[in-house]
Amino acid sequence: KQEVTQIPAALSVPEGENLVLNCSFTDSAIYNLQWFRQDPGKGLTSLLLIQSSQREQTSGRLNASLDKSSGRSTLYIAASQPGDSATYLCAAANTGNQFYFGTGTSLTVIP
Amino acid sequence: GAVVSQHPSWVICKSGTSVKIECRSLDFQATTMFWYRQFPKQSLMLMATSNEGSKATYEQGVEKDKFLINHASLTLSTLTVTSAHPEDSSFYICSGVHRPYNSPLHFGNGTRLTVT
Repeated sequence: KQEVTQIPAALSVPEGENLVLNCSFTDSAIYNLQWFRQDPGKGLTSLLLIQSSQREQTSGRLNASLDKSSGRSTLYIAASQPGDSATYLCAAANTGNQFYFGTGTSLTVIP
Repeated sequence: GAVVSQHPSWVICKSGTSVKIECRSLDFQATTMFWYRQFPKQSLMLMATSNEGSKATYEQGVEKDKFLINHASLTLSTLTVTSAHPEDSSFYICSGVHRPYNSPLHFGNGTRLTVT
């Protein structure tokens, strides 16, 4: 069964810093990998989706990379803002489109 | 963008009663819907996968007779927690996916269930 791990569990940075969130998965036979944002008590917002054939995806200040062979994905956030404070989850999907989630990284951006 | 509406957003019920949670895809046809559960400080855990018009597939350890899932149409899936107990208190989130299957998942805002 796919296991997804995220490091660090929590991260606190001053506003304006660039940061990297890490996600690792045990089964490299993924269909795609997706990064989500979760605000307290709220549902998930999809940030970036990387297909298994892709290496990276970019949206605004966000860049996600995927290295299937090493079982890793990273989410890079440039010029962090207080509004970026949230929990970030990565999820690996198998061919049945079932997503397996990591435990998340709680990000706090200090003004 | 695609929207998934989940209702109710929170519910408090007494032990032994049943609670139904609805998940609707508002502007796309969700051929497959997923139900997740999240306990405090833990990750989302997939409970079951439901395809429109067929029986749901439950993950190991999830009681299918306790968590009844119905996906009768391409825009609606329901999760009924039967004979709820305090340990069922959790955050339940649904998500839907539409063709093609390599599209992003779209999530509802979740339902906070508290069983007293």
